Amino acid sequence: DAKTTQPPSMDCAEGRAANLPCNHSTISGNEYVYWYRQIHSQGPQYIIHGLKNNETNEMASLIITEDRKSSTLILPHATLRDTAVYYCIVRVPNTGTASKLTFGTGTRLQVTL
Amino acid sequence: EAGVAQSPRYKIIEKRQSVAFWCNPISGHATLYWYQQILGQGPKLLIQFQNNGVVDDSQLPKDRFSAERLKGVDSTLKIQPAKLEDSAVYLCASSLDGTGIRTEAFFGQGTRLTVV
Repeated sequence: DAKTTQPPSMDCAEGRAANLPCNHSTISGNEYVYWYRQIHSQGPQYIIHGLKNNETNEMASLIITEDRKSSTLILPHATLRDTAVYYCIVRVPNTGTASKLTFGTGTRLQVTL
Repeated sequence: EAGVAQSPRYKIIEKRQSVAFWCNPISGHATLYWYQQILGQGPKLLIQFQNNGVVDDSQLPKDRFSAERLKGVDSTLKIQPAKLEDSAVYLCASSLDGTGIRTEAFFGQGTRLTVV
């Protein structure tokens, strides 16, 4: 019952911006878009989330299209430490089964010198 | 603030034996999650609690897996009897949820289970 689609892998040169796309064409009006990443041998780490407005924090920026059917996670200056699997998830917090935090297969980002 | 604590970090058991994992979530977090992550795959949600209640356990193999959350705080996940295909990392996570806006989940380091 995957609600999101992501490319399986991407490469990015160190110092350049990494733009990771996510398709969520069946998103409902009250579902938020969450991004997590998982560095090798660690638990997933929260990055950012949003509903419809673009969001920015110290780690990344999240751009959500006006129709909310897709989004892009932007790492403005990728470093080797950003090499990880990135997961895009849609959910409605605090609402029972709709709040399930379900991971798909994600995008494996490789940052290279 | 202290993170999500899990123990043990590693466990090796023989098939048909039983095993239990323990999770202590971040203080005050209402929601607790258990995931199974098989090598090369994304985490698979086994069970999600909100306080004492179960939000979803649709992917928990209930013939061999059980989980409980005592007094809405700590949680244990048990496998009895274990099968070879249960070899995986078991991740626990917690989130504040409730009425707050802080809804991100924080993950523990996981328990790596090897069934031989």
